[in-house]
Amino acid sequence: EIVLTQSPGTLSLSPGERATLSCRASQSVSNNYLAWYQQNPGQAPRLLIYGASNRATGIPDRFSGSGSGTDFTLTISRLEPEDFTVYYCQQYISSPRTFGQGTKVEIK
Amino acid sequence: EVQLLESGGGLVQPGGSLRLSCAASGFTFSSYPMGWVRQAPGKGLQWVSSISDTGGGTYYADSVKGRFTVSRDNSKNTLYLQMNSLRAEDTAVYYCVKFTNVGGWYEDYWGQGTLVTVSS
Repeated sequence: EIVLTQSPGTLSLSPGERATLSCRASQSVSNNYLAWYQQNPGQAPRLLIYGASNRATGIPDRFSGSGSGTDFTLTISRLEPEDFTVYYCQQYISSPRTFGQGTKVEIK
Repeated sequence: EVQLLESGGGLVQPGGSLRLSCAASGFTFSSYPMGWVRQAPGKGLQWVSSISDTGGGTYYADSVKGRFTVSRDNSKNTLYLQMNSLRAEDTAVYYCVKFTNVGGWYEDYWGQGTLVTVSS
């Protein structure tokens, strides 16, 4: 099973700042089969990024994904008020498909 | 617009059973694999089960294998999850998910979830 470790656990930033979220895999994620999801409290997760760097439909361009192999990054270029929430990475190259434990982006 | 509407959650005693349903609309249901992902209270996300577009292939997390059964009725655009021998650790919000394939199969749409509580 591929274990995904997200860091930091909590990121404290101000609106307008840049957020950099990390996701490290215990084994190589081939073909960059890695996704990022955003989850607001009490709501379902929303797909942000697939294939490590492809934005999903309707996702603002301030969200970008990068990385390969075992190290992946989600970057939010300028934080908007609605971006302060929880983010999860997920690998879908091997079974079982697994998620990271999440990073919470909070207002500083 | 893709819509996934789960139902069937509730309070059940340990060892009991429950069947979840997910009514899908806004896409050609029979063309896409579907699945279930759960989230225990205050915890992260865990994949539970997936099913192929025809229903001929089913897949389970080790933690539910032998207790849960996923199925679908393509004539009714509905996905099911039969949960037997429920345990306290199965307590979670269960999300119905639709898969898509743009280089690998990943979840592109999620329902709002239904809460399953296993407690005496």
